[in-house]
Amino acid sequence: TQLLEQSPQFLSIQEGENLTVYCNSSSVFSSLQWYRQEPGEGPVLLVTVVTGGEVKKLKRLTFQFGDARKDSSLHITAAQPGDTGLYLCAGANTGRDDKIIFGKGTRLHILP
Amino acid sequence: GAGVSQSPSNKVTEKGKDVELRCDPISGHTALYWYRQSLGQGLEFLIYFQGNSAPDKSGLPSDRFSAERTGGSVSTLTIQRTQQEDSAVYLCASTPAGGQGISPLHFGNGTRLTVT
Repeated sequence: TQLLEQSPQFLSIQEGENLTVYCNSSSVFSSLQWYRQEPGEGPVLLVTVVTGGEVKKLKRLTFQFGDARKDSSLHITAAQPGDTGLYLCAGANTGRDDKIIFGKGTRLHILP
Repeated sequence: GAGVSQSPSNKVTEKGKDVELRCDPISGHTALYWYRQSLGQGLEFLIYFQGNSAPDKSGLPSDRFSAERTGGSVSTLTIQRTQQEDSAVYLCASTPAGGQGISPLHFGNGTRLTVT
C-alpha cells in the first residue's frame, strides 16, 4: 500500500517567517501534486511536479520533488496570513494503478 | 464554466438509515474520484472511475459502501445502514482522460454527513 506522510501536522508561525513542510513516502511516484484547502471548500491545485529533482516556484512558494521521486517539500518565504490553510500532497503512479492518494495534510496558521 | 457539483451540501441522518450522495463532474472529464475527509484530516481514497473501465473500489471501507457512475457522468455514493463513524465530509473530484497525477483534480465542495 502506498502511503504519503506529511510533516509537521500542525504549524503556527508569525507573519514574515519562512517555513518548510514535507511529504515523504517509501514508494516511487510518477508525479506529486500539492493542494491547498480552505474551510468548507474542496482542495485547489497549487503545483504538479513530475521530474526527479524538479524545482518549481509560485511567487513565495517553492516546491521540490526528490531525486528518487519519493518525497517533496514546500517552502514558503515571508509567510502571510493569506497562506493559512490545509496543505495536502497527492501522489500518482500512472501506469500502475492510476489512482491518486493523499497525505494527511499540514495545517498551517499564520499569525498577523 | 460549471465546476464539480455535489449534493446535498449537508446531510444529517439517523444511525441505521441509508444515504445517497450525488456528484456531477465537469463535462467531458472521464475520471471521477470519491474521497472521505474526517474533521481537519487528509483525504481518504474511496473509489475511482475511469471511462468504461471497471472502477477501483479498493478504498471502500466496508460492503455498506457502494458507488456507481451512470453514462460516464453523474456518480452516486451510497452508504447503507449508516454508522456514527461514517460522519465525515465526502468529496468528489474529476479530471480529464489521461490526466491522472498531471492534470488538476477538480473538487466539489463536498457533502458533510452527520450520523446521529
